Amino acid sequence: EVQLLESGGGLVQPGGSLRLSCVASGFTFSSYAMSWVRQAPGKGPEWVSSFSGGGAGTYYADSVKGRFTISRDISKNTLFLQMNSLRAEDTAVYYCAKDPILGASPPTFYFDSWGQGTLVTVSS
Amino acid sequence: EIVLTQSPATLSLSPGERVALSCRASQSVRTYLAWYQQKPGQAPRLLIYDASNRATGIPARFSGSGSGTDFTLTISSLEPEDVAVYYCQQRSTWPPGFGQGTRLQIK
Repeated sequence: EVQLLESGGGLVQPGGSLRLSCVASGFTFSSYAMSWVRQAPGKGPEWVSSFSGGGAGTYYADSVKGRFTISRDISKNTLFLQMNSLRAEDTAVYYCAKDPILGASPPTFYFDSWGQGTLVTVSS
Repeated sequence: EIVLTQSPATLSLSPGERVALSCRASQSVRTYLAWYQQKPGQAPRLLIYDASNRATGIPARFSGSGSGTDFTLTISSLEPEDVAVYYCQQRSTWPPGFGQGTRLQIK
């Protein structure tokens, strides 16, 4: 069974930083594209960033490019999102999500398994 | 950037009724469209991908149709557990994006 467990969210002041983690299990983590998708309160989901299956490339939404960095540690089956220069509009639940296709590069940008999410609140 | 417009915003129907949810794209997304179900307090769940393919484990009462700019998610017979917000999502054109959702309620 695929399991994704996010952590690292919290309250941070504008301009601050946070690092989110997502521990994966139940599938070959290194072979699947992985993504971060966020959802602001009362809004629809918004794709944030993706890491290709096999590690060939990274992708970012314009709204976070230059501020957020996606990475992974295959030895720990963990996906990360380093978030710098945070803004109020980054406030959301951040989900880690798995691509449905083995080895997808570029990612399909479909998301067939999701974690439970971690809440990031940017406020002074 | 492609805009996905879902209608209606809210729908209230009785158990056993047929449900049709609409998603319209501002330009063609071919068949690169998915549908997700999100129940209160839960993450979204993939129902349909590539417009008409059911994801693993999704009940047969859920089906998707359409191509180009007009898509429909159909629930053949509404069950009480289908109460949720439903989102469409396109991956045809950068950046991938979601609609604003349709809230499905039970009468």
